Amino acid sequence: GENVEQHPSTLSVQEGDSAVIKCTYSDSASNYFPWYKQELGKRPQLIIDIRSNVGEKKDQRIAVTLNKTAKHFSLHITETQPEDSAVYFCAATPTGNDYKLSFGAGTTVTVRA
Amino acid sequence: NAGVMQNPRHLVRRRGQEARLRCSPMKGHSHVYWYRQLPEEGLKFMVYLQKENIIDESGMPKERFSAEFPKEGPSILRIQQVVRGDSAAYFCASSPQSGGGNEQFFGPGTRLTVL
Repeated sequence: GENVEQHPSTLSVQEGDSAVIKCTYSDSASNYFPWYKQELGKRPQLIIDIRSNVGEKKDQRIAVTLNKTAKHFSLHITETQPEDSAVYFCAATPTGNDYKLSFGAGTTVTVRA
Repeated sequence: NAGVMQNPRHLVRRRGQEARLRCSPMKGHSHVYWYRQLPEEGLKFMVYLQKENIIDESGMPKERFSAEFPKEGPSILRIQQVVRGDSAAYFCASSPQSGGGNEQFFGPGTRLTVL
């Protein structure tokens, strides 16, 4: 099945700086890569996603890049703000079971004021 | 449009008891997914259901765990004879269709504690 690895596990940044989280996946035919944000004690919420026919997608201060050859994708948050502090999860959907999200272990992002 | 609803939000059980977790999908969504999240870990897929059908239960333990999504009413995740290792947050998600690229909307989760 699909195996998703996520790094780093924790990330502390100064307010206004950028944060980058990287994920790798094992199934070369995976075609959908969402990113979820989970605040403490709350539900995961989709913040951005990318499909395998696109190399980059941007939505205001967040962007995701996908490198299919290397089988990795990254989340970039620019001009970080305290409300960006949360746990971020990447996910991928494997071939043949494209409803089954395989999640990374998560990155705890702390934005220091 | 109310989001995905789960209840109870917190559930405490003693070893050997049964736990029943409920999930009401978003209006118009006929696909339900259950995930389990252990402390400081990512979510792990358990089961995918459509109305009255279990489509994929490959992530669910073979014993003690069962799930259903009846024609009427919420989806139920049932854990019989709970053990301490069952303590986790259980999230359900729903989508209008299945397949990659169809966002799964998550509920607030049920945090199960087994004493």
